[in-house]
Amino acid sequence: DAGVIQSPRHEVTEMGQEVTLRCKPISGHNSLFWYRQTMMRGLELLIYFNNNVPIDDSGMPEDRFSAKMPNASFSTLKIQPSEPRDSAVYFCASSLVILLDQETQYFGPGTRLLVL
Amino acid sequence: QKEVEQNSGPLSVPEGAIASLNCTYSDRGSQSFFWYRQYSGKSPELIMSIYSNGDKEDGRFTAQLNKASQYVSLLIRDSQPSDSATYLCAVNKFDEGSQGNLIFGKGTKLSVKP
Repeated sequence: DAGVIQSPRHEVTEMGQEVTLRCKPISGHNSLFWYRQTMMRGLELLIYFNNNVPIDDSGMPEDRFSAKMPNASFSTLKIQPSEPRDSAVYFCASSLVILLDQETQYFGPGTRLLVL
Repeated sequence: QKEVEQNSGPLSVPEGAIASLNCTYSDRGSQSFFWYRQYSGKSPELIMSIYSNGDKEDGRFTAQLNKASQYVSLLIRDSQPSDSATYLCAVNKFDEGSQGNLIFGKGTKLSVKP
């Protein structure tokens, strides 16, 4: 299996620009998670989907952030407009959740975002 | 408020020693507990999961869970320089209407000196 795939791996943009991060989960997994990691705040859950449906988006910082999962093999996280404080590493993770068992989350390589 | 707390370290141990990493959590309803290892510049990878009170051993790693004390630990025996990384504790709880998600601690940085 190729694992969780994220693109781009690095993104440098200017404040005010739109940023779109992409994720392809592991085939067969039914849950997808978007995290943000910074030195100050650690690893924070932004939003997660189960069977393509957003379940909990309470971690999304504000309306500038939006996420979609149009099908089981693709998700996007969009920031519009971007701000310097959005600079972080954004991870996508996927898992197979069966009933009430929380299976292992597998992380993608991350996207390193720098907003100037 | 869900919280997972870890000592940020750095924890420095000599090669061959036992490294002990600790984690406490605030939500008594938590059911599943995980230790992830993250090398600098890399993504987290799962090394241990534990669901029941007691010890769980996997090679050089032992996870310990005490739900009454809301405490999870990870022991690394015969520590190697390659174990130098940040170790993240993660805790799961299923809320009503939720399929569950993980709350991560900020991690403990471990340094194993040759």
